[in-house]
Amino acid sequence: ILNVEQSPQSLHVQEGDSTNFTCSFPSSNFYALHWYRWETAKSPEALFVMTLNGDEKKKGRISATLNTKEGYSYLYIKGSQPEDSATYLCAFLGAHSNSGYALNFGKGTSLLVTP
Amino acid sequence: NAGVMQNPRHLVRRRGQEARLRCSPMKGHSHVYWYRQLPEEGLKFMVYLQKENIIDESGMPKERFSAEFPKEGPSILRIQQVVRGDSAAYFCASSPGTGGRNQPQHFGDGTRLSIL
Repeated sequence: ILNVEQSPQSLHVQEGDSTNFTCSFPSSNFYALHWYRWETAKSPEALFVMTLNGDEKKKGRISATLNTKEGYSYLYIKGSQPEDSATYLCAFLGAHSNSGYALNFGKGTSLLVTP
Repeated sequence: NAGVMQNPRHLVRRRGQEARLRCSPMKGHSHVYWYRQLPEEGLKFMVYLQKENIIDESGMPKERFSAEFPKEGPSILRIQQVVRGDSAAYFCASSPGTGGRNQPQHFGDGTRLSIL
């Protein structure tokens, strides 16, 4: 069993605040790190797939960084809005599975942004 | 809607019955994955299929569970002789056959299975 840890478990911020969460994962046998956004009663929506150490990706106000040598990724949200309220999942893809295509998910960070 | 389609959205079964969950991948996608979310748990990988082939079933329970992705039609996750512990949300995802591990997996809305 691989440990993919996300922190904090939950976060409550005011509209306009910037925030960030952490995902830690095994630093060996790494293929890729996925970030998903999951709103209640909807399906997980892919945000980023990151594969190279030092990768930085950006989508609007959301950005992510990757450090494969120490096994962590940060997700940043600049100027949070109420519509950013969701659970943010990271998932590690590595050589641990038979195929190397089995995503190993963390439990997520639940973000609530209030006006 | 060109997304991943799962049906039914909700399924209720009594202990001992069979449950069949269906998943149609996004158009053009040939890789299908099934994940399960037990109450208070995160998403756990079950099985990865390509057309007519099971590629990785390392996360699937050895008994009562099976999956297929036929040449024509949706992928099916089948649970025989269901027990209360099978109550969970089952999610299907798909990805294209090209691009390898750089491709995100696109998820359906899930099937909530309840066992009475």
